[in-house]
Amino acid sequence: DVKVTQSSRYLVKRTGEKVFLECVQDMDHENMFWYRQDPGLGLRLIYFSYDVKMKEKGDIPEGYSVSREKKERFSLILESASTNQTSMYLCASTSPGGPTDTQYFGPGTRLTVL
Amino acid sequence: QQQVKQSPQSLIVQKGGISIINCAYENTAFDYFPWYQQFPGKGPALLIAIRPDVSEKKEGRFTISFNKSAKQFSLHIMDSQPGDSATYFCAASLLTGGGNKLTFGTGTQLKVEL
Repeated sequence: DVKVTQSSRYLVKRTGEKVFLECVQDMDHENMFWYRQDPGLGLRLIYFSYDVKMKEKGDIPEGYSVSREKKERFSLILESASTNQTSMYLCASTSPGGPTDTQYFGPGTRLTVL
Repeated sequence: QQQVKQSPQSLIVQKGGISIINCAYENTAFDYFPWYQQFPGKGPALLIAIRPDVSEKKEGRFTISFNKSAKQFSLHIMDSQPGDSATYFCAASLLTGGGNKLTFGTGTQLKVEL
């Protein structure tokens, strides 16, 4: 059974803190993604990685960075959290094989920045 | 810039009725159109998908209709059931250098009433 796990379901941080969100997949997938989900805005891609140590900016990368040191793990970093980064963060992974790749999502981390 | 527009934002359907969710896209380079279903507290999961060279795809009670010339596609849920109550996202896939990138619609919250 495929599995994408995220380190926390709920997280509360203060403005200015450095925040790490961790994602681990056990499917040996090459590609991993970070999205944020906001009501009325859907899922928006922050960053994705198609190989270890490789990353590409998504549609809303400002204020975020990522790290992928191992194939199974993809981290999202908020260097200095701000209140407008309060959101649901979703990690996904897929194995590239053409346009029909299925993205498998984790359960999400609901981050609140006070 | 919303490349995939989805409507309606919310939908209430009676049990046994037909649920219809519509999406429109702008970029003709999109080459795959999946729908994802998300239950509360869970990450989205692939429901059904279609390639642009096909006008319709049916899987059980779920059907995608695709109109390439109009750049529109829709999800039809026949005989809607309370268990179908969830948020539905349409998406469009674009092949980039490292793999496929999904652009999601804004989501439709479906409630099926008894």
